[in-house]
Amino acid sequence: GDSVTQMEGPVTLSEEAFLTINCTYTATGYPSLFWYVQYPGEGLQLLLKATKADDKGSNKGFEATYRKETTSFHLEKGSVQVSDSAVYFCALAENTGGFKTIFGAGTRLFVKA
Amino acid sequence: DTGVSQNPRHKITKRGQNVTFRCDPISEHNRLYWYRQTLGQGPEFLTYFQNEAQLEKSRLLSDRFSAERPKGSFSTLEIQRTEQGDSAMYLCASSQTAVGPQHFGDGTRLSIL
Repeated sequence: GDSVTQMEGPVTLSEEAFLTINCTYTATGYPSLFWYVQYPGEGLQLLLKATKADDKGSNKGFEATYRKETTSFHLEKGSVQVSDSAVYFCALAENTGGFKTIFGAGTRLFVKA
Repeated sequence: DTGVSQNPRHKITKRGQNVTFRCDPISEHNRLYWYRQTLGQGPEFLTYFQNEAQLEKSRLLSDRFSAERPKGSFSTLEIQRTEQGDSAMYLCASSQTAVGPQHFGDGTRLSIL
């Protein structure tokens, strides 16, 4: 079945460092791809999305590009802030049937001042 | 847009008891999803409604679990004869379109004594 694999955490960075969180997927169809973020004590929030190959999703300085040839959707940010400390989930949503969303295990990011 | 609301926020119960959770989706969203999240993992799909129809159920949803969405508005998730392994965060999400994004509630945390 469909699945999402993302790099294990925690990832610890200093403020203003470059961030990459790797995400790869397997899917029988042609899914939409998402990054969700969960800040401490809060619920899941959509961070960005991409619905077709070569689409780039972006929000709050974060970017991810839908790479069909490598089945990847890596999350990047050029300069992280302490406020970016959270758990990041890569996810795919089927475009057929139930359209359920399948999540990766999450990557915890700590940003030090 | 008041967001997805889940009640209760926390539920502590003894093993063997029945519990029921409620989810109120965003009013114009006709798709409603239930997920379960355990510590250190991403949310796992449980079931999905389109309006009042339950269209898909995960094999994770044993016979002790039942979900309803009468009149296509709020939804309830009931767990009968709870077991230790049912301890988790139960998340509800709703969406307006088939391919998301899904808007998540803050979840109900279930603890089985």
